[in-house]
Amino acid sequence: GQQLNQSPQSMFIQEGEDVSMNCTSSSIFNTWLWYKQDPGEGPVLLIALYKAGELTSNGRLTAQFGITRKDSFLNISASIPSDVGIYFCAGSYNNNDMRFGAGTRLTVKP
Amino acid sequence: KAGVTQTPRYLIKTRGQQVTLSCSPISGHRSVSWYQQTPGQGLQFLFEYFSETQRNKGNFPGRFSGRQFSNSRSEMNVSTLELGDSALYLCASSLGGIYNEQFFGPGTRLTVL
Repeated sequence: GQQLNQSPQSMFIQEGEDVSMNCTSSSIFNTWLWYKQDPGEGPVLLIALYKAGELTSNGRLTAQFGITRKDSFLNISASIPSDVGIYFCAGSYNNNDMRFGAGTRLTVKP
Repeated sequence: KAGVTQTPRYLIKTRGQQVTLSCSPISGHRSVSWYQQTPGQGLQFLFEYFSETQRNKGNFPGRFSGRQFSNSRSEMNVSTLELGDSALYLCASSLGGIYNEQFFGPGTRLTVL
C-alpha cells in the first residue's frame, strides 16, 4: 500500500521521558488511526480520530488530528518499558485509500 | 469478546509449494482484510472480503487469492511460493471495512526456503 510519511523512524529514550511522533500526508484525510505492534504480534488499535483538531487521550497516550487534516501526532507521556514496540499511523479520506505509515520503532531504556 | 484469530501462527514452506492461511474475525464483523508485512515494504494491503465477496484488492499478483465463508471466516491462499513471499501475514476484521477501525490478528509468520 501507499505510505504516509511517519517520523521519526526510531527513537531511543530513557524511561520516564515523553515521546512524540507524527505522520504527514500530501492529501487531506478525515480519519486518522494509531496502532502499536509488539514483536511477533499484530497491530493493536490505540486511538481513532475523526475530526480535524480533535485531541483524544487513552491513558498516557494522546493523539491529535491536525487542523490542516494532513497530519496527526501521537504523544506518550512518562514512558515505561512496556511502551517498547512499533507505532503505526493510518489514514483515509471518505472511505478511500487507507494508507499506513512505515512505523516508528520505540526503545525505552530502564 | 474474542479477538481475531489466525492459524497457523508459523509456517515453513519451500519454493513452488502453495499455502493456505486462515482467519476468524471478531464475532459480528463482516469485513476481513489481509495484509503482508515485511521489514522492507511495511504493511501492504492484499484484499478485503465483505459478506463473502471481494470488495477491495491491492496490487499483488494473482498467486495471492482469498475467499470468505458465510460465517465470515476467511482464507488466504498463495500458490507457487517464492522466496520473497516470506513475511508476516496479518488479518484484520472490521464492522465497516478497511477504511474504518480494524482489529488485527496476531499474524501468520510464513518462511519460504
